[in-house]
Formats: sequence, structure tokens, C-alpha cells
Amino acid sequence: RKEVEQDPGPFNVPEGATVAFNCTYSNSASQSFFWYRQDCRKEPKLLMSVYSSGNEDGRFTAQLNRASQYISLLIRDSKLSDSATYLCVVSMGFSGGYNKLIFGAGTRLAVHP
Amino acid sequence: DAGVIQSPRHEVTEMGQEVTLRCKPISGHNSLFWYRQTMMRGLELLIYFNNNVPIDDSGMPEDRFSAKMPNASFSTLKIQPSEPRDSAVYFCASTPLSSWQRWSNYGYTFGSGTRLTVV
Repeated sequence: RKEVEQDPGPFNVPEGATVAFNCTYSNSASQSFFWYRQDCRKEPKLLMSVYSSGNEDGRFTAQLNRASQYISLLIRDSKLSDSATYLCVVSMGFSGGYNKLIFGAGTRLAVHP
Repeated sequence: DAGVIQSPRHEVTEMGQEVTLRCKPISGHNSLFWYRQTMMRGLELLIYFNNNVPIDDSGMPEDRFSAKMPNASFSTLKIQPSEPRDSAVYFCASTPLSSWQRWSNYGYTFGSGTRLTVV
């Protein structure tokens, strides 16, 4: 089983639509969670951290369900500029107290006029 | 802040040649990571340095790959000899802290990547 699993999409939605992405992770000890955005032929960039209580940043809302090991991202009022690949990211601890981030394969979003 | 700087941006080389990718992390960031991205496998962590010391190299595919970080401002990833299956985008990323307690507020900052093609 992959450590972080996402639906690859693509999700094709019209401008103004609301779209939700889901992600599951396998390591119950994971402590930190993020959503990254990657534009075509560009580097991944941090979109937002995901907190246990859920958090919102403008049109973006992230939720975490630790019991189900499930993370979600909701985008309201989609814009053409939201077209990108959204990567679900989870921390994984290993010996020595270090952590590393494990990236999902990404969900592709295409917003059309 | 200049961000994470990688060079070259593009590299085309023949099978069997040595390839060296370079990375300059953000000043003050003490953790550095090399990732490889392909369509088939997504983003894979190759190696992680903390304070210039390799902490986890379990993702390095085989002995043909090696990485060094001689000082806090420079790292290299070398492939020798290169093979066509090494073709991918190689990203370097850095983060200021190694403590997991603070990681909820920090992700990684990625460089623009090196697109490697081995023919």
C-alpha cells in the first residue's frame, strides 16, 4: 500500500464550481500534514498546512480526520488560475527523531470557462 | 531571498556519462532534501541532509547515485554512469528546522528543478 494515496483525477470543473480532493495516509504516527500545489513544469509550492481542527485560507478549506487517516481539500468558487496538480503531503518520523515529508502522486484539477 | 537555487535547469546527456546536479539551499535552512519526480512514480525522496550530514539515504536507487553536502550552502547529486531510466526532474528542497514540533508551520521550499534527459 502506498504511504499517501490520492485520486489522480483529472477533475474538470467550470469556473465558480466547488471541488473537493481527498487523500488517505497509512502511517498513523504522522504528525504534520500539508497540501502543495504544482503547476505544469514547475516546482511544488506549499498551499497550506492542515490542522486537526480544520483550517481555512480564503477559498481553500483543509480538513484532517486522524481516526480515519484522511485529509481533504475543498476549493470554493474555482478560478481558471486554480488549474494545477494538488499534492497531499504527510510527515513520517524515523530513527533519531527526524521527520521527512512523503508526497502523494497528486490530483490534477482543470478549471474551464 | 533568492530561494533554493538549482543548476543546471536542463541537462541532456548520453548514456554512460557522469551527471552532476547542484543545489544552493536558502541561507539559514539546515535541512536539505533531494527528490526525483517522474510521471510513473511521482515525487520520491532520494536523500536527506541535516546540518550537512546525510540522515537518510534509503531512497537512493543504487550505487550509481551519490550525494554530498560539503558545507551549509551547497550540495551535489551525482549519477555515474547515467542510464535512460534516470531521466526525470530532480528537485532540491530546504527547510529551516529539523524539529518535528515546528513542522506544522513549515513545509519545504523547492528549487526550480533540473530536467535530466539521458539518451
